[in-house]
Amino acid sequence: ETGVTQTPRHLVMGMTNKKSLKCEQHLGHNAMYWYKQSAKKPLELMFVYSLEERVENNSVPSRFSPECPNSSHLFLHLHTLQPEDSALYLCASSQGITGADTQYFGPGTRLTVL
Amino acid sequence: GENVEQHPSTLSVQEGDSAVIKCTYSDSASNYFPWYKQELGKGPQLIIDIRSNVGEKKDQRIAVTLNKTAKHFSLHITETQPEDSAVYFCAATLSGSARQLTFGSGTQLTVLP
Repeated sequence: ETGVTQTPRHLVMGMTNKKSLKCEQHLGHNAMYWYKQSAKKPLELMFVYSLEERVENNSVPSRFSPECPNSSHLFLHLHTLQPEDSALYLCASSQGITGADTQYFGPGTRLTVL
Repeated sequence: GENVEQHPSTLSVQEGDSAVIKCTYSDSASNYFPWYKQELGKGPQLIIDIRSNVGEKKDQRIAVTLNKTAKHFSLHITETQPEDSAVYFCAATLSGSARQLTFGSGTQLTVLP
C-alpha cells in the first residue's frame, strides 16, 4: 500500500446526481493532487493543494469542486456531470509542492456517468 | 508549456527478453524525468527517475537513459518477468520550480510466458 486511500473505489452516477470522492493520506505530506485518467491519454492534473491552499487549477469545469479541509484529506465534489467525465480519478500526495517531489498515488475511483 | 510524447503505446515481449520504452520532451529546460508503473487496479508508482546531470541510472533490472541534446529519455527493462506487465508512464518537469509533472500517454507492456 502507498499510504494514500481513496473511497469509493467505484461509482456510478446519473448526470443529475451529486456525489463526492474522498482521499486520505497517511504519509504526513503537505501537498495533495487530483488527476483524471482516461484511456490512452496522459494523466490530466486537475487540482493541486499545498497546506490546504489551492495552488493550481488547470481549467477544470466548475462541475468539479475540490475541498481540502486539512493536509490529510482531499475531496472532489461532483455535480451535473457529463458522460465524458467517466474516467479513473486518482489522488496523490507529496512532501513538497514541486514536480520533482515524489508523488504517491492512491488506487483511484472508477467513475461512470450515465 | 511542456509536451511529452511516449512510444510505443503497446509492447509485447517474451519472458526473459528486454523491453525499451522511449519518450521525447519539448522543453529544453526540463531536468527531472521520472518513470511510473501502474499495475491493474492500482495507482501509478514511481520506479526510477533521472536528473539531467547524469546520462544513465540503473536499479537492478531497470535502467533509464537520458539524451539532453536530443531531448529524449528511455526506460530499459532487462530479463523481463510476468510481473513486469503493467502500464508505464514517463514524465518531465523542471526541478526546483513550481511546475508540475507532464506525463506521457503510457505504454501497456505485456510479458508473455
